[in-house]
Amino acid sequence: DIQMTQSPSSLSASVGDRVTITCRASQSISSYLNWYQQKPGEAPKLLIYAASSLQSGVPSRFSGSGSGTDFTLTISSLQPEDFATYYCQQSFSTSRYTFGQGTELEIK
Amino acid sequence: EVQLVESGGGLVQPGGSLRLSCAASGFTFSSYSMNWVRQAPGTGLEWVSYISSSSSTIYYADSVKGRFTISRDNAKNSLSLQMNSLRAEDTAVYYCATDKGTYTQDSYYYYMDVWGKGTTVTVSS
Repeated sequence: DIQMTQSPSSLSASVGDRVTITCRASQSISSYLNWYQQKPGEAPKLLIYAASSLQSGVPSRFSGSGSGTDFTLTISSLQPEDFATYYCQQSFSTSRYTFGQGTELEIK
Repeated sequence: EVQLVESGGGLVQPGGSLRLSCAASGFTFSSYSMNWVRQAPGTGLEWVSYISSSSSTIYYADSVKGRFTISRDNAKNSLSLQMNSLRAEDTAVYYCATDKGTYTQDSYYYYMDVWGKGTTVTVSS
């Protein structure tokens, strides 16, 4: 299976900060990388698909980049509603989707 | 409104069985592949199973293969997950999610764009 490793596992930041979360795949997955946001007690929400395509309705302060094995999710200016846990997910292996372990973004 | 609603969760003893359902509305269910994803308490997301729109292709995570069976009824806009031989480690919130494909950057890319709110399964004696 393709292993997805996120870093950091947790992150403290302030409103207005620029934040970057990294996701690394154990093998090349081209651009088959998605990002999700999950708030406590809620279902995950799709933010970015195909590594850099912004899902409809998602604020433009979210962006994704990367290809191959290294990917980043960037939030350009943190808003109070952005404090949540973020997951990357590979869709290169359609028979074995895998998620990263998550990055918890907390208020400093 | 596009919506997925899971049901069927509950408390079951180890070795027992449970059947989860996911009711779809607001979109053409028969056109979409579907997934089950679970989340154990305090942990991350784990993909469980996938079924194509026509049920011709089915995949399972190794952790549930041979114990869980995914199925769908396109006439009833319904997805199911039959869970047998349940273990304590199957305790989780189970989500159903659509598997959408979009053609961009010269390829088809797949992602889970609509999720239900989840149903909780607890395996305990």
